[in-house]
Amino acid sequence: AQTVTQSQPEMSVQEAETVTLSCTYDTSESDYYLFWYKQPPSRQMILVIRQEAYKQQNATENRFSVNFQKAAKSFSLKISDSQLGDAAMYFCAYRSASNRKLTFGTGTRLQVTL
Amino acid sequence: ETGVTQTPRHLVMGMTNKKSLKCEQHLGHNAMYWYKQSAKKPLELMFVYSLEERVENNSVPSRFSPECPNSSHLFLHLHTLQPEDSALYLCASSQERSSNQPQHFGDGTRLSIL
Repeated sequence: AQTVTQSQPEMSVQEAETVTLSCTYDTSESDYYLFWYKQPPSRQMILVIRQEAYKQQNATENRFSVNFQKAAKSFSLKISDSQLGDAAMYFCAYRSASNRKLTFGTGTRLQVTL
Repeated sequence: ETGVTQTPRHLVMGMTNKKSLKCEQHLGHNAMYWYKQSAKKPLELMFVYSLEERVENNSVPSRFSPECPNSSHLFLHLHTLQPEDSALYLCASSQERSSNQPQHFGDGTRLSIL
């Protein structure tokens, strides 16, 4: 069974600084997809960024980028130029190419300070 | 984004009550999901419907009964719940043409069992 581990329950970053959130996963499959979701206090899970395992190039979405290390099964999220609106719970998620199930980590709570 | 709408936002019920959670998606998706989010635990997938047919049920107790009358609506009928069922229940939808399509989530229903 696949598992997703987020080892940082809480992180803090100053506004305009850069922060990296860690995620590791365990799978025996070679074809899969990885996602980072953000859940602000409004509770809605919002997709931040996604990565296809077959792509070597790291995904980037504006201030958000990932460091995907397939051999190490690591998928970290880097947030550059942090903004107050980035404060939220961040969840890493895994999905096999062969089924619909999303497996989530336990989340990292990100605080952004002035 | 208001593509996935959940009602009610909050629900308090006794263990002997019967209530229903409602989810509606306006994204033209053909798959819908129910998740349970408890404190300090990963999101747990409860049910998956694809093309209005239940395709996955992750060993959820029978006191939770899903219903998908059409591709835009999903219900979760609740009956004789237990205190440990108190949680945030999230609905999601996706377009099932490939596994890299992200799931879009609603704001959830916060359920409290007295």
